[in-house]
Amino acid sequence: AQKITQTQPGMFVQEKEAVTLDCTYDTSDPSYGLFWYKQPSSGEMIFLIYQGSYDQQNATEGRYSLNFQKARKSANLVISASQLGDSAMYFCAMREAYSLSAGGTSYGKLTFGQGTILTVHP
Amino acid sequence: DGGITQSPKYLFRKEGQNVTLSCEQNLNHDAMYWYRQDPGQGLRLIYYSQIVNDFQKGDIAEGYSVSREKKESFPLTVTSAQKNPTAFYLCASSIGHNTGELFFGEGSRLTVL
Repeated sequence: AQKITQTQPGMFVQEKEAVTLDCTYDTSDPSYGLFWYKQPSSGEMIFLIYQGSYDQQNATEGRYSLNFQKARKSANLVISASQLGDSAMYFCAMREAYSLSAGGTSYGKLTFGQGTILTVHP
Repeated sequence: DGGITQSPKYLFRKEGQNVTLSCEQNLNHDAMYWYRQDPGQGLRLIYYSQIVNDFQKGDIAEGYSVSREKKESFPLTVTSAQKNPTAFYLCASSIGHNTGELFFGEGSRLTVL
């Protein structure tokens, strides 16, 4: 069974500093996708970044990067140059992936971690 | 603008009453999902639908029901059989059930009095 663990209930960071949010996962499937979502106080879930298990390079999207260490089964989110608007709950999630005989990739259920509340101080 | 609209944003209900949460999307997505979020926890899957007129149970379907009569709409009914219905409910959609990224609505907060 899939399992996602986020061990940091809360994190604090100074504005303009970088911060790392931890995520470890457990799966027996060799093929999977890892996702990070941001949930501000409004409640909506905002997709941030995706990493495939076979991707050779760490994913980056603007100020977000994913520190993917496959052997350790970790997928930490790094936010550079933190902004006040980054204050939110952050969720790590995983979907097992399957290769289709006709080509392409199919995904299973999306499983979420418990989340980390990030607070950015001015 | 394309997106997912959930209503109502806040809802109060007395014990023993059924309540229906609305979810509408204009993204032309085939797959739609309902998640429940409790304080201090991640999201848990209630039901999902891959195509119109078809849906499957998720991890915590007991006490809930859904319908998918139109591609754009996936309403969730919280029945009186749900023992602890007070929670934050999130609807999501994706291009297909077998694609990676989910797009979420802003959520509906249900409180049982």
